[in-house]
Formats: sequence, C-alpha cells, structure tokens
Amino acid sequence: NAGVTQTPKFQVLKTGQSMTLQCAQDMNHNSMYWYRQDPGMGLRLIYYSASEGTTDKGEVPNGYNVSRLNKREFSLRLESAAPSQTSVYFCASSSGRTQETQYFGPGTRLLVL
Amino acid sequence: DQQVKQNSPSLSVQEGRISILNCDYTNSMFDYFLWYKKYPAEGPTFLISISSIKDKNEDGRFTVFLNKSAKHLSLHIVPSQPGDSAVYFCAARRPGTYKYIFGTGTRLKVLA
Repeated sequence: NAGVTQTPKFQVLKTGQSMTLQCAQDMNHNSMYWYRQDPGMGLRLIYYSASEGTTDKGEVPNGYNVSRLNKREFSLRLESAAPSQTSVYFCASSSGRTQETQYFGPGTRLLVL
Repeated sequence: DQQVKQNSPSLSVQEGRISILNCDYTNSMFDYFLWYKKYPAEGPTFLISISSIKDKNEDGRFTVFLNKSAKHLSLHIVPSQPGDSAVYFCAARRPGTYKYIFGTGTRLKVLA
C-alpha cells in the first residue's frame, strides 16, 4: 500500500519551460489536493478536486492548471514556469467525508531558474 | 492575511518534559482542526484532530485543546521524545468545504 505517490521528486526548470507534476493515490479516496510550501508561508492550497471529474481553485491557482485524470490520479501543470514558482509541491488525498484527514505524498522540489 | 497563525517558529524541550505548541486563528466559523507533523524531505503526516464542538481530544501522548472563545488551539506532547523532533503544522477547515488553511509551522526540537 503506497498511499500517495508523487513524481518527480526533484526538478530544475528554466523560466518559460513547462512541466507536469504527477500524483497518484491507491486509497480509493474521492478528494485530491495540490499544495505548495514556501519558507515562512506554511502550506497553501493551489487546486483541489472534490471528486472525479471536478476541480476547483484554491488560494494560489494563478500559473497552474490541473487535471483529474481518473479517481487515482491528479496532475498539476505549469505551462510557463516562473522563478516565483520555485517551491516544494505536495499532493494530498482524503476520503471526502465530512470529517476526514488528508494524507500527503512525499513532495516534489521544484527549482525554476 | 494569515488566518491561522503559529507565532513560535521554533521550540526546544528536554526529553521527558511536556511540549506545548500553539496555534491561533481568526475565523470563528472554522469547524475542524488538524495537527500534522513533518520530517525533512517527507510529506506531512496526520497527528490528531478536533472538531469545533469539542474542547479536548487525546491520542496517547498527544492531546489537542481548543478554546473557541480565544480562537486558540494547542497541542500537548507528554512525555516528549527525541523522535518527536519535527515541524508541526496546525490547519483549520472552512465549514462546508474541503479547504484547510495551514499555519506556518513550529519546529520542535526535543533534546536528549
């Protein structure tokens, strides 16, 4: 039981390049989330998907797009990376019931030069 | 506007003593609170939760207290162990949503 997996673990991009961060969960969870963690800022929600087929913006969605490919997978795309998107990105999932916890992946460290 | 605040960036405690981590929030409508622990190069792991209808929840060495009138949350770890050394985040949920607002974290160091 792998829980929440993320790929890649580390990536270096040049300004303007694009990339997709992959996330998959094997817990049959309905809801999935993308966060970014910056020093002194805690975790901030970028996008979330309450259930398969739906996505919604979080606190900091600008510069990102997401795809809920199926119940297991939720990807985050940077179309034109900027240095301000240098961060650690975490994917999480939850069952989607009223009171539930979120389970996090190990993170993707992204450096945009 | 930081709706969830952890005003102590770091805390050092002797092994065996009590660790108290604090969290303040501004929105009285938050209805569910979580504490997460995070080790370096790993994702946050769930520790303990509390609903806004309760004022205390215990799980082994971990107890969370909620003071709604003060909009204050605290996590007590008794006794503290070196393996508890990590960054601790509190998070609060907006009612009727799946959105959590996280604090900035407190780095706990338990000294052997």
